[in-house]
Formats: sequence, structure tokens, C-alpha cells
Amino acid sequence: GEDVEQSLFLSVREGDSSVINCTYTDSSSTYLYWYKQEPGAGLQLLTYIFSNMDMKQDQRLTVLLNKKDKHLSLRIADTQTGDSAIYFCAVSYGGATNKLIFGTGTLLAVQP
Amino acid sequence: KAGVTQTPRYLIKTRGQQVTLSCSPISGHRSVSWYQQTPGQGLQFLFEYFSETQRNKGNFPGRFSGRQFSNSRSEMNVSTLELGDSALYLCASSLTGGETQYFGPGTRLLVL
Repeated sequence: GEDVEQSLFLSVREGDSSVINCTYTDSSSTYLYWYKQEPGAGLQLLTYIFSNMDMKQDQRLTVLLNKKDKHLSLRIADTQTGDSAIYFCAVSYGGATNKLIFGTGTLLAVQP
Repeated sequence: KAGVTQTPRYLIKTRGQQVTLSCSPISGHRSVSWYQQTPGQGLQFLFEYFSETQRNKGNFPGRFSGRQFSNSRSEMNVSTLELGDSALYLCASSLTGGETQYFGPGTRLLVL
């Protein structure tokens, strides 16, 4: 079945790089997403990658996809206190459907 | 362009009542999906609507229903509320489905 897992917590110092990891079980994924959720808010789309790509860079964000290991990561360079939030990876399985399978979320705490 | 809007933002109901939540997608988007977020179960897909038709459905009881209007606005209804229905209900829209989804701020429902 479809399952997406993430580590629950990551703590980094301001200015360091953060790496948030995600693993998924179903290899027929098409799009993989990273969303950010701040307290009391909805989900903000950060970036996404197509399943036929290995890497995507978008300013401070770098997404790496290892399809063989079914592993997705999000690297945030020069992490700031404003990056403190919960980060969700989500996987879609193609076709004309919007169904996303979400990971459990990783709480990123940035220490000043 | 305005984002996804959801009303109301907060709602308090008692067990046994019913509730209707509303979602207005981004202008031009025709696909609307609903998700439930709880601390215990995380983010779970409820259903997706496209062109006034339910295209996909998650694993929720029949008390959860929805509909979509000709202007793509969507409503979801929960009947006979239970304490466990307390959650953040998120709506997301995309052009036709399968592309990038954008989420609204959510409706926080508390069932007493």
C-alpha cells in the first residue's frame, strides 16, 4: 500500500543547513512535494519534483530524489529562525487525481 | 490572484450536530480536494471533486460527504458529529487534477 514516513523532529542552529528526509513505499509515484505548515496555518507549497528527476534547486531549497531507495530529501541552506515549522512530504500517484499521501511531518526547530 | 479561501475559519459544534464547510478554489481551478488533519492520524485525504463530480474518495465513513458547484466552489458536510471529528479541515485546488495543489488556511472544527 501507499505509505510515507518522515522523522519527527530536527533541531539546527541558525545559519546551518537542514536536511529533512522522507521515504515512501509505492514506486509508481509521479509527483513528490514538500509543504510547510506554520502554527495555526494551512499548508504552503515549497517545492515539488517530478519522479523522472533526480534533483531540483530553488533558491535556498534543494530536493533530492533517489527512486531506487524511494527516498526524498529537502535541504534548506542557511536556515533561518523563520524556517521553524512542520515540513510535510507528499506523494501523488499520477492520473487526473489530486489524492496526496502525506508523511507524518517533521518539526524543524531553528536555534538562534 | 486570490488564493484558496475557506469559511468559516473556526467552528464549535456539539456531538450529533451536522456541519457544512465551504471552499472557494483559485480562479480557474476546477479540481478541489479535501483533507482532514488530526494529531493522531495526520493528514488524510477525504475526497476530490472535478466538474461537479466526485472523482476520488478516501477511507472515511458515509457521514462525510461533499459536493461541487458549477463555479467550482465546494462544500463538505459532516453529519452526526463525533468527538473524533475535531480536526483541521483543509481544502486544496488545482487546475484539473494531478498538477500542483494549493491549500487554503483550513477550517478548525471542535466538537464538544
